[in-house]
Amino acid sequence: GAVVSQHPSWVICKSGTSVKIECRSLDFQATTMFWYRQFPKQSLMLMATSNEGSKATYEQGVEKDKFLINHASLTLSTLTVTSAHPEDSSFYICSASPFDRKNTEAFFGQGTRLTVV
Amino acid sequence: AQTVTQSQPEMSVQEAETVTLSCTYDTSESDYYLFWYKQPPSRQMILVIRQEAYKQQNATENRFSVNFQKAAKSFSLKISDSQLGDAAMYFCAYKSTNFGNEKLTFGTGTRLTIIP
Repeated sequence: GAVVSQHPSWVICKSGTSVKIECRSLDFQATTMFWYRQFPKQSLMLMATSNEGSKATYEQGVEKDKFLINHASLTLSTLTVTSAHPEDSSFYICSASPFDRKNTEAFFGQGTRLTVV
Repeated sequence: AQTVTQSQPEMSVQEAETVTLSCTYDTSESDYYLFWYKQPPSRQMILVIRQEAYKQQNATENRFSVNFQKAAKSFSLKISDSQLGDAAMYFCAYKSTNFGNEKLTFGTGTRLTIIP
């Protein structure tokens, strides 16, 4: 089956620093990946669509300069939280689908719990 | 824009019994996909079942089945013979079939508790 791997699983960083989260499709190529944010006991909110070889598409209200997305290859997308603050603490999840299964299933990474202190 | 509504924040069911989780959605599209995802305490999202809107037959996966009412824009999940491992958050999700619009829109979720 299709596997999406996300790294790290958890990270603690100091306020003002930047942190990078990686999302890899291990056994398929993905021209598009999605980044979600999930607050405790809430749903997944789409932050942005990561497009290989082009700029990411951000959802309304998401600061693109704060949440930098780079989709440099067909198997890797990265989300960098720049100048992190405590309010950025959250659970971040990525997803992707093989091209021939885009409509049938999205595969999710394990998620990254970010804590900013 | 599409919206997905789950009106039951929490549900509980006795082990081995049957429970139904509700989901309604709003869309102007005629063709789309609907999904139920499970998120256990590990927080890994797991696909439970999917339904293609152009198919009238309700999808079934072992103990999980859906009641898809296209006209009413309703998509409920029935879990039969509930097991302790079914305890999780359940999210209903919508996906357009339009090319380039592959994102999932999630409902707010229903937390399911299984009572031994």
